Amino acid sequence: GAGVSQSPRYKVAKRGQDVALRCDPISGHVSLFWYQQALGQGPEFLTYFQNEAQLDKSGLPSDRFFAERPEGSVSTLKIQRTQQEDSAVYLCASSPTGGELKLFFGSGTQLSVL
Amino acid sequence: SQQGEEDPQALSIQEGENATMNCSYKTSINNLQWYRQNSGRGLVHLILIRSNEREKHSGRLRVTLDTSKKSSSLLITASRAADTASYFCATDRNSGNTPLVFGKGTRLSVIA
Repeated sequence: GAGVSQSPRYKVAKRGQDVALRCDPISGHVSLFWYQQALGQGPEFLTYFQNEAQLDKSGLPSDRFFAERPEGSVSTLKIQRTQQEDSAVYLCASSPTGGELKLFFGSGTQLSVL
Repeated sequence: SQQGEEDPQALSIQEGENATMNCSYKTSINNLQWYRQNSGRGLVHLILIRSNEREKHSGRLRVTLDTSKKSSSLLITASRAADTASYFCATDRNSGNTPLVFGKGTRLSVIA
């Protein structure tokens, strides 16, 4: 597609439920990033991939968060045993290789944990 | 953690006025970028200024960078109601393969 696509757009989960959030980056973009954005705040870095390699996962808040990009294209962010504090918008961004880092963002998945 | 801090947190102006937003950061950078986010949407890249540049223009946008003060400003001239959005600065730190670090943003409201 023309832009970064994320699904679902909205997700409501009961506390303790597992969720999976999907990101389709722009075709050919090597780097893929996940950010978490709380209401009224800026995006906070979670993790990033270069092709299929996860080069930095220092921003993942706990071992309940797991991300993968097995074929270097589509990525999935999985949150196990969701907690209320996980409620946020999860943004995915991709970037082409080389040159300065400019991010192209999807519209995000708004996760609400009840 | 967030590297950049935008100021003010919120700004309300009349259509046609200029809007100025400021960003301060903490560590050495390769470049600084500004992004815009409409409500319920993802961020959109507006402009990038390199650490060896002092000023850059793009349409109605003017960005300045003062590396000695670790600060940047974004000026939007002749604002329009459609400029209503949140604006974030993001820094690309001068320490290898690191991700962009965003500030908390300035929420701009342009009243018609």
